[in-house]
Amino acid sequence: DVKVTQSSRYLVKRTGEKVFLECVQDMDHENMFWYRQDPGLGLRLIYFSYDVKMKEKGDIPEGYSVSREKKERFSLILESASTNQTSMYLCASSLYTGELFFGEGSRLTVL
Amino acid sequence: AQRVTQPEKLLSVFKGAPVELKCNYSYSGSPELFWYVQYSRQRLQLLLRHISRESIKGFTADLNKGETSFHLKKPFAQEEDSAMYYCALRVNSGYSTLTFGKGTMLLVSP
Repeated sequence: DVKVTQSSRYLVKRTGEKVFLECVQDMDHENMFWYRQDPGLGLRLIYFSYDVKMKEKGDIPEGYSVSREKKERFSLILESASTNQTSMYLCASSLYTGELFFGEGSRLTVL
Repeated sequence: AQRVTQPEKLLSVFKGAPVELKCNYSYSGSPELFWYVQYSRQRLQLLLRHISRESIKGFTADLNKGETSFHLKKPFAQEEDSAMYYCALRVNSGYSTLTFGKGTMLLVSP
């Protein structure tokens, strides 16, 4: 089974703090994604990556950056957290972009 | 740009009743359509895709290009079907990502 692991399940941060969300997959997938999931808004794509050191903006990249130094790891960075970034963050990986395998999610609260 | 619409935020039915979760899309070409499901305290996972034309856990979905719809159906709902369901669309060209709808929560009561 594909395993996508998000290192932090719950985080509480203060406004202005730098936040790192880590994601690791163990199936040698080329593609990795970061979504945020909000009630009533569904899933919105923040960033994705098709290869190491490669990144593409999704629908809502403002306030976020990403890093993919190794194929199995895709990190989401909030340079200066704000309260409107309080959300559930979902990482996913895939062999092709249709079938995504998701992590359990990281629930971030920014105070 | 493509769009996926799930008109119902919440669908509440009784056990044994038929279920239809609606999904409409806007895209002029030939898309790939998917249904993803998230059960309580579990990760989001693929339920089915239109190209497979399969039934998973009793659910089926048919792509209707004329009505640009991909409704999810099950003839007899079970309590364990209670979950959040997302319809998603992928444009069939190159490196295309999934566009998700806003989701429908299905509650099946005993």
